[in-house]
Amino acid sequence: GESVGLHLPTLSVQEGDNSIINCAYSNSASDYFIWYKQESGKGPQFIIDIRSNMDKRQGQRVTVLLNKTVKHLSLQIAATQPGDSAVYFCADTFHGSSNTGKLIFGQGTTLQVKP
Amino acid sequence: KAGVTQTPRYLIKTRGQQVTLSCSPISGHRSVSWYQQTPGQGLQFLFEYFSETQRNKGNFPGRFSGRQFSNSRSEMNVSTLELGDSALYLCASSSSLTETQYFGPGTRLLVL
Repeated sequence: GESVGLHLPTLSVQEGDNSIINCAYSNSASDYFIWYKQESGKGPQFIIDIRSNMDKRQGQRVTVLLNKTVKHLSLQIAATQPGDSAVYFCADTFHGSSNTGKLIFGQGTTLQVKP
Repeated sequence: KAGVTQTPRYLIKTRGQQVTLSCSPISGHRSVSWYQQTPGQGLQFLFEYFSETQRNKGNFPGRFSGRQFSNSRSEMNVSTLELGDSALYLCASSSSLTETQYFGPGTRLLVL
């Protein structure tokens, strides 16, 4: 079956450092990838997305890298702040001919930012 | 624009009862998807709707059902509740099935 996995359940970084959160996906047909941030008691919040025709996409303090050869996705957060502490999920989908938006989520990585 | 809203935010039910959860998508969004989040299974897809039609369904028993109305608002229903149905139920909306999904705050259901 399809699965999207994250390499580490917990990542602890110092405030001001850069964070890298990794994700491996299994469906080589996946054509859309997305990162969400979930804080305690809230729903997942969209961070950044990337389509399979791109290798890299940048947002404000965040960068997503996609390596289709090894089916790997990463989220880089620059100058990590205490407000970045949360659980981060990667998700993928294959829109394909069925035109579905069904997202397959990884298990999540908890980012802890130390002051 | 207002975000996705879900009601109620918290719910306590007993086994055997049924429950209906509501989701109002972002204005102009026509696609609504539902997910179940539990500590053990993570985020799992339940179903998605577009223009009042169910387009895809996840691997959940028939006790889980949903519908979408002409104004894109959606409801999901769980009948004959079981203890294992305790979870955070999340609704996400998007402008189409292939666009970014934005999540609501969820409804936390506790089954006793």
